[in-house]
Amino acid sequence: SAVISQKPSRDICQRGTSLTIQCQVDSQVTMMFWYRQQPGQSLTLIATANQGSEATYESGFVIDKFPISRPNLTFSTLTVSNMSPEDSSIYLCSMIAGSSYEQYFGPGTRLTVT
Amino acid sequence: TQLLEQSPQFLSIQEGENLTVYCNSSSVFSSLQWYRQEPGEGPVLLVTVVTGGEVKKLKRLTFQFGDARKDSSLHITAAQPGDTGLYLCAGAETSGSRLTFGEGTQLTVNP
Repeated sequence: SAVISQKPSRDICQRGTSLTIQCQVDSQVTMMFWYRQQPGQSLTLIATANQGSEATYESGFVIDKFPISRPNLTFSTLTVSNMSPEDSSIYLCSMIAGSSYEQYFGPGTRLTVT
Repeated sequence: TQLLEQSPQFLSIQEGENLTVYCNSSSVFSSLQWYRQEPGEGPVLLVTVVTGGEVKKLKRLTFQFGDARKDSSLHITAAQPGDTGLYLCAGAETSGSRLTFGEGTQLTVNP
């Protein structure tokens, strides 16, 4: 399986600021996704990162708050904008290669907003 | 919207015991995947099942996909402390599509 890395691994940010999380895959992939997870709980899909076009957002998530870029087949970024303490969470990127069912995850970015 | 109900939510057992985690839905999935996640890490894919009635074994772990492809189970035999973690089931409508996740089962195996 491909190797997925995320940067930063963790950060502590002040409310009102923005943080951009990077996701890098070591091979070209078909699909990339961004999730949010509270510790010990399940994953909530934020959006599908589409290469060369606007991301597809899930209900409850909007582009102004979570702008996403995917300039090529191996890289994507998620920005958490105008942060509040409620945005404190773990943010995970994932990918699917080819037409597979199997989805692989990065190690996550633990964000704390004070 | 497809939903996956996972149970139990929490499970604390002694080393050597057996356990089963269930994942149920009223919807049909093309595939179902099981992940295990440890603190500070991303979910790690354990298995993918795609055929109704399919059974897969991974050492002491046995995964089953229901005949109607609406439910799945994970059975662990002789649990060990190293099995401790968050177990997540996730279903896909089609290949290459988004996943619907269950609520997760936090398993603790005490030595």
